[in-house]
Amino acid sequence: EAGVAQSPRYKIIEKRQSVAFWCNPISGHATLYWYQQILGQGPKLLIQFQNNGVVDDSQLPKDRFSAERLKGVDSTLKIQPAKLEDSAVYLCASSLVGSGDGGYTFGSGTRLTVV
Amino acid sequence: KNEVEQSPQNLTAQEGEFITINCSYSVGISALHWLQQHPGGGIVSLFMLSSGKKKHGRLIATINIQEKHSSLHITASHPRDSAVYICAALNRDDKIIFGKGTRLHILP
Repeated sequence: EAGVAQSPRYKIIEKRQSVAFWCNPISGHATLYWYQQILGQGPKLLIQFQNNGVVDDSQLPKDRFSAERLKGVDSTLKIQPAKLEDSAVYLCASSLVGSGDGGYTFGSGTRLTVV
Repeated sequence: KNEVEQSPQNLTAQEGEFITINCSYSVGISALHWLQQHPGGGIVSLFMLSSGKKKHGRLIATINIQEKHSSLHITASHPRDSAVYICAALNRDDKIIFGKGTRLHILP
């Protein structure tokens, strides 16, 4: 079974530039998560989708961050404009919704450095 | 109090030692993941458990649903095992809750 695919693996940008990350979840996984992990801290949920609808985006800084999941499959997370404090690992995960079987999988993450 | 607690927070050991990292959770979960994160930030999924025990090479993971506790063991530890190990649980509301991680350093 293919895992959760994320790209790019690494990205270095200057502050005020824009950046986009891509995630392709496990086939059939209705729930998709984006997490931000700042160095030395645990991952923080940015947004959770169920199919193409948003379940939780309460911690998404909406003035600069946006995410979409068109057609309920893959997803993009965008930062515009980036700030130095956005330097972090952006982690995507997906899960079967409400099935109780615990099927959830993580991508390998995208490491963003804002200089 | 975090719903998923890991211990220890930091662990330094000599090469060859048997390592145990613990994870306790206070909510109902459907499964628990052990993740490995190297300094570059990349995440590797080691195990997903909903019951019992799994083994892969020198790594063993166990979970006790009644006691709400999971452990990750590393046998014959090696410096390349040095990483942050994170416990992540999927709760009944489809939320993934992360522990704060255990930073493991294996000395040659």
